Amino acid sequence: AQRVTQPEKLLSVFKGAPVELKCNYSYSGSPELFWYVQYSRQRLQLLLRHISRESIKGFTADLNKGETSFHLKKPFAQEEDSAMYYCALRYNNNDMRFGAGTRLTVKP
Amino acid sequence: GAGVSQSPSNKVTEKGKDVELRCDPISGHTALYWYRQRLGQGLEFLIYFQGNSAPDKSGLPSDRFSAERTGESVSTLTIQRTQQEDSAVYLCASSLARGRHSNYGYTFGSGTRLTVV
Repeated sequence: AQRVTQPEKLLSVFKGAPVELKCNYSYSGSPELFWYVQYSRQRLQLLLRHISRESIKGFTADLNKGETSFHLKKPFAQEEDSAMYYCALRYNNNDMRFGAGTRLTVKP
Repeated sequence: GAGVSQSPSNKVTEKGKDVELRCDPISGHTALYWYRQRLGQGLEFLIYFQGNSAPDKSGLPSDRFSAERTGESVSTLTIQRTQQEDSAVYLCASSLARGRHSNYGYTFGSGTRLTVV
């Protein structure tokens, strides 16, 4: 069965510190992973996708098939990064399984 | 339209009443999804439409929940005899048609916040 695990419900870091939001997945097929973000009072939106190997707002995420992980990282967190982050696994061509989310708070 | 539109944005209803939530997907998006987001919790899949058929209803929590879609456009999620535990934000998302080589994520609406009192 497909499963996405985000072990940290809450994560708090100081501005300028590195941040890593953990995501592990379980899927027997070839995984396609995404990170979505929801800022306060805004709608949920796509942040980045592993297939694009992109860096968005300073965030990167590398798919590690050996560890079945897709952790989201940023070397220097900013206050505006405070938001709810969801890791998602795509399967069956375009069904999406979301993790429970991690609320990131970046303190000044 | 320019984005996924959901209405109403907020709904307060009395326990036992029926409610209807509406979602207008992006024009041309054949796939439509409903999720529930309870306070402090993650996204809970409810139902998926491909066109106007619903191949996956596995997430509907009880027979009080139903959904329909007209063609490849508007979808309505109906909750009958609402209970307090139905209180949540109901999110709709749409996507271009399925395809193994598609690289499309979902586009989400801003949600309907349902409060059952």
